[in-house]
Amino acid sequence: GQNIDQPTEMTATEGAIVQINCTYQTSGFNGLFWYQQHAGEAPTFLSYNVLDGLEEKGRFSSFLSRSKGYSYLLLKELQMKDSASYLCAVRGLRGGATNKLIFGTGTLLAVQP
Amino acid sequence: DVKVTQSSRYLVKRTGEKVFLECVQDMDHENMFWYRQDPGLGLRLIYFSYDVKMKEKGDIPEGYSVSREKKERFSLILESASTNQTSMYLCASSSSGGGSPELFFGEGSRLTVL
Repeated sequence: GQNIDQPTEMTATEGAIVQINCTYQTSGFNGLFWYQQHAGEAPTFLSYNVLDGLEEKGRFSSFLSRSKGYSYLLLKELQMKDSASYLCAVRGLRGGATNKLIFGTGTLLAVQP
Repeated sequence: DVKVTQSSRYLVKRTGEKVFLECVQDMDHENMFWYRQDPGLGLRLIYFSYDVKMKEKGDIPEGYSVSREKKERFSLILESASTNQTSMYLCASSSSGGGSPELFFGEGSRLTVL
C-alpha cells in the first residue's frame, strides 16, 4: 500500500524556525515534493528532493532520507504570511503512467505574532 | 508565465445532473491530473493522463470519467452528480521530459451538488 504521514496542525511564533516532518511508504520512489497552500488557493511548489540530503532555497529547506522514508521541510525566520497548509507528496516510479503524485493530508501551520 | 486554467471557479448542480469540468494548460505538458480535495482527506487522485487519448484511473475514479482529445485540454465528467461529489476539484499538469518535474495546479473548481 501507499501511505504518507504528516502532522495535522502546528503552531509557531513569528521569527522562529519550524520543522514539518513527513514519513512515507510507497510502491516505488522517484522524488518527494513539498507544496504550500493558502486557504482557498491552489497549491504552489516549494521544493523537490530525489537524492538524500538537504536542499536549501532561501528561508525554506527540505531534507530527504530515502532509507528511512523520511523528509522534513524547514522554515526559517517565520513570517505571518507563512500561515498555510504544507503538503508532502511522493512521486512513483519513473516514466509514463507512474508520474503521478500521491499527497499526504497536509500540515496546517499557524504563525502567531 | 505558466498557466493551468480551470473553466469554472464555483458551480452549483443538482443531484443527477451531468457535470463537465474543463482544464487547459499552455505549457505543452504531457501529463495532466484531476484531484479532489476534502478537509481531513487531502488531495486524492481521480484520474490522470500521460498522453492524448490516454487515461489511467487514480485512487478514487468511481463516479467519474475523463476525456483528453487534445494535449492541452483534460476534462473531468460526472455522469450523474451526487451529493458526495461536493468538493474542491483541482487540475494539474507536469512535464515528462527533462524539465522541472513539479505539478502546476489550476485555481480549483468548487462544486456543490444539492
